[in-house]
Amino acid sequence: AQTVTQSQPEMSVQEAETVTLSCTYDTSESDYYLFWYKQPPSRQMILVIRQEAYKQQNATENRFSVNFQKAAKSFSLKISDSQLGDAAMYFCAYRPPQGGSEKLVFGKGTKLTVNP
Amino acid sequence: GAVVSQHPSRVICKSGTSVKIECRSLDFQATTMFWYRQFPKQSLMLMATSNEGSKATYEQGVEKDKFLINHASLTLSTLTVTSAHPEDSSFYICSASWSGVIADTQYFGPGTRLTVL
Repeated sequence: AQTVTQSQPEMSVQEAETVTLSCTYDTSESDYYLFWYKQPPSRQMILVIRQEAYKQQNATENRFSVNFQKAAKSFSLKISDSQLGDAAMYFCAYRPPQGGSEKLVFGKGTKLTVNP
Repeated sequence: GAVVSQHPSRVICKSGTSVKIECRSLDFQATTMFWYRQFPKQSLMLMATSNEGSKATYEQGVEKDKFLINHASLTLSTLTVTSAHPEDSSFYICSASWSGVIADTQYFGPGTRLTVL
C-alpha cells in the first residue's frame, strides 16, 4: 500500500524568509500524482500545487515550488517570501495513476507558523 | 473555478437524531465525490467514495448504514448521519473531482462541524 510521510510535525519561518516542507512517499507505480494542500485555521482545504510524476520539471505556483525527486520518492514544498497568511497545516498527498483508485493518500501534516 | 460548497457549515443536534450534510460542486460536474472525517489536529480520514448514479464505496470500518451517502446528480452528494451519537461529533469534509482536463485533482468543500449532544 502506498504511504506518505511528513517527518516535520511543526515548522516555523520568519516573515519574508524561505521554508521547505518535507514529504516522502512509497509506491511501486511509475506514474502517479502528487499534491500539496494547505489547511488554514478556517479548515478549508486549499490546493497549493500538483505534480505529475511523468513530468521531470518541478511544478511552481508563484511563491510555491516543489523539488520532485522521483528516484528518491521525495516531494518537498518550498515557500519563498513567506507571508503571515501562509500559516497553516500543510498536507502532502499521493494519488495513484488514472484508471485506478482515485483515493488520495495523505501525510499527517506539517503545521507551519510564520513569525512577524 | 472548481468551487465546492458544503451546507451546513456547522450543526448541533441531539443524540438519536439524523443529520444531512450537502456537498455541491458549483462550477463543474463532479463525477466522483469523496467524504472525509477529520479529528482535531489529525489528517483527513476517507470515509467513502461516491460516483454519480452508483452506490458509494465505503472504507473499511465505516458503517454504511450509519453514514448514508447519496450522489444523485453530477453536482450534489449528501451524507446523512443516522441516529447520531456524541462519538459521531467531528469535522466532515467533502471533495469532488471530474473527468475533465484535470481529472486527477480533488477540490474540497469548506467542511461541516457536527456536534452531537
